[in-house]
Amino acid sequence: EVQLVESGGGLVQPGGSLRLSCAASGFTFSSYAMHWVRQAPGKGLEYVSAISSNGGSTYYANSVKGRFTISRDNSKNTLYLQMGSLRAEDMAVYYCARDGGATGGGAFDIWGQGTMVTVSS
Amino acid sequence: QSVLTQPPSVSGAPGQRVTISCTGSSSNIGAGYDVHWYQQLPGTAPKLLIYGNSNRPSGVPDRFSGSKSGTSASLAITGLQAEDEADYYCQSYDSSLSWVFGGGTKLTVL
Repeated sequence: EVQLVESGGGLVQPGGSLRLSCAASGFTFSSYAMHWVRQAPGKGLEYVSAISSNGGSTYYANSVKGRFTISRDNSKNTLYLQMGSLRAEDMAVYYCARDGGATGGGAFDIWGQGTMVTVSS
Repeated sequence: QSVLTQPPSVSGAPGQRVTISCTGSSSNIGAGYDVHWYQQLPGTAPKLLIYGNSNRPSGVPDRFSGSKSGTSASLAITGLQAEDEADYYCQSYDSSLSWVFGGGTKLTVL
């Protein structure tokens, strides 16, 4: 079964750090670009970050640039999001998603269940 | 506000047809980038509903269809069912080198 499972969310103080993980299974992880998308409580989807299949290219939304780092370990089939200098506005459910590539029109065809990040003192 | 504009809410009775619009600009939808649609049932992760403007992934009923014209796109749902009650999001790519989402539309089945 094709699956993405996020972990690492939790409660963190403002200014703190957290690392999210996304474990992939059921497909050739190293062949796909991957993304992080977040959703604040009661709000819509917000794009966060992307990484190419080999990890050589990354992209960040302006709202997280300089504070978050996306990475991947293709040998472990795992995607990461290192989050630093966390703010109240970073509080959200964080989803990892697979980029379906050219055959999928670039749509995000597989999503994880999400992991909640709470930023509060 | 979101780069892609969607109505906050739409509603319809069971069996009816509803449409959800997604309005962009010349830097995203109008630039030729594909539009994708996602369905998010309450308390769950988003699920891909339509990709590449009008294509349905395997398992998505043909009651769902998508179209694109100019700087806008639409999602149509026919034969509305209670289980269709959810939030719907459009997505595209922007020439500013960014993936963008619409603000989301809450569908209520009356």
